[in-house]
Amino acid sequence: AQKITQTQPGMFVQEKEAVTLDCTYDTSDQSYGLFWYKQPSSGEMIFLIYQGSYDEQNATEGRYSLNFQKARKSTNLVISASQLGDSAMYFCAMTRRRNDMRFGAGTRLTVKP
Amino acid sequence: DVKVTQSSRYLVKRTGEKVFLECVQDMDHENMFWYRQDPGLGLRLIYFSYDVKMKEKGDIPEGYSVSREKKERFSLILESASTNQTSMYLCASSPRVPRAFFGQGTRLTVV
Repeated sequence: AQKITQTQPGMFVQEKEAVTLDCTYDTSDQSYGLFWYKQPSSGEMIFLIYQGSYDEQNATEGRYSLNFQKARKSTNLVISASQLGDSAMYFCAMTRRRNDMRFGAGTRLTVKP
Repeated sequence: DVKVTQSSRYLVKRTGEKVFLECVQDMDHENMFWYRQDPGLGLRLIYFSYDVKMKEKGDIPEGYSVSREKKERFSLILESASTNQTSMYLCASSPRVPRAFFGQGTRLTVV
């Protein structure tokens, strides 16, 4: 079975600084997709960024980028120039052949002013 | 905008009751999912469906069943609710190019 591991239950970052949230995954499939979602205190799940296993370039979306290291099975989310509104839970997720989507336990990010 | 609607925001049920959680999406997505979210455990996949009448067990299917008779609707059924099923339940849908869209969640309390 696939497994997604987020080893940082909580992270703190100073406003305007960059922060990296870690995620490792375990699968024997060659084709898979990796996602990050943000969940603010309101509870909604907000899609941030996607990386396909065959994508050669690291995905970027505005202030979000992925550090995708396929051989190490890791896909770390980098948030540049942190803002107070970035304080939230962040979840890493993976899909496989049937498009089943599984999530990690999440990292709570707190941005300090 | 894609809309995924869960029938209730908050629900309180008694132990042993049969509970139905409904989820409807309006974008003709093939895939639909049910998760439960508990602090420290993230989102755990209960069941998912990749087509009408097709379903697959996720990681924690025990005590749950699902129904997908129409493409837009995916129901989660708790056959006999127990207190350890008190949780936040999230429904999601996605097209073939994967990116899940989530409902607002149902906070279920079983007393």
